[in-house]
Amino acid sequence: DAGVIQSPRHEVTEMGQEVTLRCKPISGHDYLFWYRQTMMRGLELLIYFNNNVPIDDSGMPEDRFSAKMPNASFSTLKIQPSEPRDSAVYFCASHFSGQPQHFGDGTRLSIL
Amino acid sequence: GQQVMQIPQYQHVQEGEDFTTYCNSSTTLSNIQWYKQRPGGHPVFLIQLVKSGEVKKQKRLTFQFGEAKKNSSLHITATQTTDVGTYFCAEPNNDMRFGAGTRLTVKP
Repeated sequence: DAGVIQSPRHEVTEMGQEVTLRCKPISGHDYLFWYRQTMMRGLELLIYFNNNVPIDDSGMPEDRFSAKMPNASFSTLKIQPSEPRDSAVYFCASHFSGQPQHFGDGTRLSIL
Repeated sequence: GQQVMQIPQYQHVQEGEDFTTYCNSSTTLSNIQWYKQRPGGHPVFLIQLVKSGEVKKQKRLTFQFGEAKKNSSLHITATQTTDVGTYFCAEPNNDMRFGAGTRLTVKP
């Protein structure tokens, strides 16, 4: 079991640029979550999918953020345009309904 | 979704001392999960509690679920430097949300 795979592990870019974060969930898991973690805000839920369908995106900060899950094995989180306040660690996690979540190693994003 | 409240936010202990973190909810929890995140790492599942009054142990860690299923605690006996990290509780509903976490530091 390869676990949840996120890429890139680190991303440094200038403000205004588009950022795309990628996630491959564990095969067969029917739930996929995107979280953002900062010292100030802790671990925030951004959006989650069930069977590739977005269920709750109320945690998405604003229209600059968008997430897609075109199939059961891939999801993206996109920020356009990026701002310095978007700097954080972004985690993807997946699980079977009612079972523990498995997190990826995260993407450490720095917007200059 | 209802988020569980977790206290304390930080705890610094001397190695060998005990440590406890608490999660509280204003509503009844169906069940609760605990996770640990090491510095620089990602949250890792520790345990799930389902039954009212349930107590589970993992070596020096003791997990409890309140009788009313509105609170839970994690107690570490005789902390070690390897216990350093942030401990989160979470209610595994569909919109799974985590408590704010308790950051534990241990002085050797």
